[in-house]
Amino acid sequence: DIQVTQSPSSLSASVGDRVSISCRASQNIRSYLNWYQQKPGKTPRLLIFGASTLQSGVPSRFSGSGSGSDFILIISSLQPEDFATYYCQQSYSTPWTFGQGTKVEIK
Amino acid sequence: QVTLRESAPALVKPTQTLTLTCTFSGFSLTTRTMCVSWIRQPPGKALEWLGVIDWAGDKYYSTSLKTRLTISTDTSKNQVVLTMTDMDPVDTATYYCARTLMVGTTNYFDYWGQGTLVTVSS
Repeated sequence: DIQVTQSPSSLSASVGDRVSISCRASQNIRSYLNWYQQKPGKTPRLLIFGASTLQSGVPSRFSGSGSGSDFILIISSLQPEDFATYYCQQSYSTPWTFGQGTKVEIK
Repeated sequence: QVTLRESAPALVKPTQTLTLTCTFSGFSLTTRTMCVSWIRQPPGKALEWLGVIDWAGDKYYSTSLKTRLTISTDTSKNQVVLTMTDMDPVDTATYYCARTLMVGTTNYFDYWGQGTLVTVSS
């Protein structure tokens, strides 16, 4: 199975900060990497697919980059509604796997 | 409008078999690129992918759980069913179904059900 590791596991940031979350796969997954946002008690929401394609309706302050085994999710200017847990997920080969999540908290 | 809704018993006993049903609308599972996945999340923990069924009826499962899982579909009812045998308290989780698109260069979960919490306890 392909392992996916996120870092950090949590971070504290202020509104307006630039935030970056890293995701590393245990092997080359090309661009088969997706990002999801989950707020407490809510369903996960697709943010980015194919490593860098923004899902329709997702604000442009979210961006994704990377290929191969290293990927980054960037929030260019953190907004109050962005405080949540973020998950990366590889879809290169089954079994598909998620990272352990990164919780973004208010500083 | 794409919607998915999970249904399952809220409580199952250890060793029992869990049957989860995903009822969806707004797409057809017989359309190329369309799939439905099952994902779960234990309380306070990360998401875990369980399995997927694609438009051709092919199924793929989690390595660690594949001996316990079966996915089936009733396309006439727009339903996907997941059965999980030999339930254990560690299987307590919110179970989600999600529409999954396989579009050649990428695959992703774009619509999710609201999830259903299943507790395993005697």
